[in-house]
Amino acid sequence: QSALTQPPSASGSPGQSVTISCTGTSSDIGGYNYVSWYQQHPGKAPKFMIYEVSKRPSGVPDRFSGSKSGNTASLTVSGLQAEDEADYYCSSYGGSNNLVFGGGTKLTVL
Amino acid sequence: EVQLLESGGGLVQPGGSLRLSCAASGFSFSNYAMSWVRQAPGKGLEWVASVSGSASNTFFADSVKGRFTISRDNSNDTLFLQMNSLRAEDTAVYYCAKRPVYSNNWYYFGSWGQGTLVTVSS
Repeated sequence: QSALTQPPSASGSPGQSVTISCTGTSSDIGGYNYVSWYQQHPGKAPKFMIYEVSKRPSGVPDRFSGSKSGNTASLTVSGLQAEDEADYYCSSYGGSNNLVFGGGTKLTVL
Repeated sequence: EVQLLESGGGLVQPGGSLRLSCAASGFSFSNYAMSWVRQAPGKGLEWVASVSGSASNTFFADSVKGRFTISRDNSNDTLFLQMNSLRAEDTAVYYCAKRPVYSNNWYYFGSWGQGTLVTVSS
């Protein structure tokens, strides 16, 4: 199964909003509401940020939100803060007990 | 507090084998699906394998199917990844990950270890 498609980079100024897209197919994102997002700072383990498209685990700020339309999922970070600068990865259940990740997006806070 | 501590990484020749371990603490280990996710140097995340809490179900990425085996010892709260027929493209940091508390689905990774580096090279 092919990886999900994410833009390699995104950026925004402090206080602004930025949206990161994640494009798949009808066999993964389009077929299931099992999209998740992970944040990874350099040299650190990933952190669980969003699951089931738009749900936030306990402790994740509500500045982070998720959505989906057709075969594309999105992560929006509102009120950008310096500590939001990190790599972000989407993933989706792909059926037949398979899971696929996106290639990752490097978010820069200007 | 959930803690996941991987070990067993190192340098191995192509075609060789390696067994990774992940010692878990801070939660009821047998109640949670566990997984391995890897990250090649400078690259993105790749799901490798998952196992249900009872070990009755295992799932593998196509890239490792037939070469890797995932298992667990619920008596000792430890997850394993047996890696055989290793290739250069298996070089990566291997993370152990736990299903989150608020979802029964194995394909979410709520907690992660710090990872162990596997290098496949002659």
